[in-house]
Amino acid sequence: DQQVKQNSPSLSVQEGRISILNCDYTNSMFDYFLWYKKYPAEGPTFLISISSIKDKNEDGRFTVFLNKSAKHLSLHIVPSQPGDSAVYFCAAGKFNKFYFGSGTKLNVKP
Amino acid sequence: GAGVSQSPSNKVTEKGKDVELRCDPISGHTALYWYRQSLGQGLEFLIYFQGNSAPDKSGLPSDRFSAERTGGSVSTLTIQRTQQEDSAVYLCASRTGLDYEQYFGPGTRLTVT
Repeated sequence: DQQVKQNSPSLSVQEGRISILNCDYTNSMFDYFLWYKKYPAEGPTFLISISSIKDKNEDGRFTVFLNKSAKHLSLHIVPSQPGDSAVYFCAAGKFNKFYFGSGTKLNVKP
Repeated sequence: GAGVSQSPSNKVTEKGKDVELRCDPISGHTALYWYRQSLGQGLEFLIYFQGNSAPDKSGLPSDRFSAERTGGSVSTLTIQRTQQEDSAVYLCASRTGLDYEQYFGPGTRLTVT
């Protein structure tokens, strides 16, 4: 049973607009959450994280929001750029074990 | 830079043969993970090593899968008597003992024919 779900397999956004990627998890004990970005033929690269004691973390154009009551997190990219086109994975976990979603493929159109 | 490296990058093998996949983590990283990503799926946890502690093998899908980490550095994932459903990209990641961020290698694409 999947503990982390990304229900949108793909998302298309115009350059300069906001991209919102969503992620849901089932285990309320998870206390740390990460977003990774993956280009074809490469391993995922870390993007941004948030711990359960926060509800928002911002890093440049990237912001992650955490709603613990809804067991939901989202990644906002503003403004979106064509170079952001990639597959984005969310991960949630506790201690040393993380569960990954199936990814959302973002396409930013110039 | 000295990132996580994996070899081979691609491996094609016949059903029933054994394969070994190698991971060189970032120097000084005490934790090492193996994942696999089947077509259209997310990353599936396989096994986790932390220092000298016993590994967490809870994600290994069958007893055909095993992994070891020698000297707290290089790790080898072995799949015996490969099956077609073993075809996937196998990813290795490492991290320090101080934070949660995992650093991934480029993966090994395994194809079982």
